[in-house]
Amino acid sequence: NAGVTQTPKFQVLKTGQSMTLQCAQDMNHEYMSWYRQDPGMGLRLIHYSVGAGITDQGEVPNGYNVSRSTTEDFPLRLLSAAPSQTSVYFCASSSPGTLYGYTFGSGTRLTVV
Amino acid sequence: QQQVKQSPQSLIVQKGGISIINCAYENTAFDYFPWYQQFPGKGPALLIAIRPDVSEKKEGRFTISFNKSAKQFSLHIMDSQPGDSATYFCAASKWGSNYKLTFGKGTLLTVNP
Repeated sequence: NAGVTQTPKFQVLKTGQSMTLQCAQDMNHEYMSWYRQDPGMGLRLIHYSVGAGITDQGEVPNGYNVSRSTTEDFPLRLLSAAPSQTSVYFCASSSPGTLYGYTFGSGTRLTVV
Repeated sequence: QQQVKQSPQSLIVQKGGISIINCAYENTAFDYFPWYQQFPGKGPALLIAIRPDVSEKKEGRFTISFNKSAKQFSLHIMDSQPGDSATYFCAASKWGSNYKLTFGKGTLLTVNP
């Protein structure tokens, strides 16, 4: 079982560039989420999805876009990268009603210069 | 904005000692409280979780204590080991919405040999 797979692991962008962070899970989980982690800030929710075709905003959605065309994939798009988006991004997936079902990927470390 | 407040920010414990990390939440609708462990360069991993129908849950050396009236919960690590050195995050959500976790800011635990 691969679990939650994120690519790339590292990325450097120039200000204004766009890119897509990939996230795929093979556990048939309904729920998927994107978080960003910054020093001293914990993890903050960017966007989430409760099923294919259904997405919604989290705590810090500005500058990011998501779509969920399949159960397995939940890409995160940076529309016009800014230095404030320098962070480590984590994708997570879970099923409803499971105490221990929320699984995180290994993260993408993004630097915007 | 709902918050989960976590303390202390950092903790140093001797091998064999007890590590205690505390969290307090504001939203009385929260009824799912997981703890995550994160090693450098890795994604958070679910360690233990509790729901408010019990006041304590123990798994091996890890115990969650829950005080619903005080809106507080804590993680106790008994017989702490150097391998427990990591960052620990508490989190909270509504049971049916575990795709929208609200995280504390984390506690860096160092266990000295």
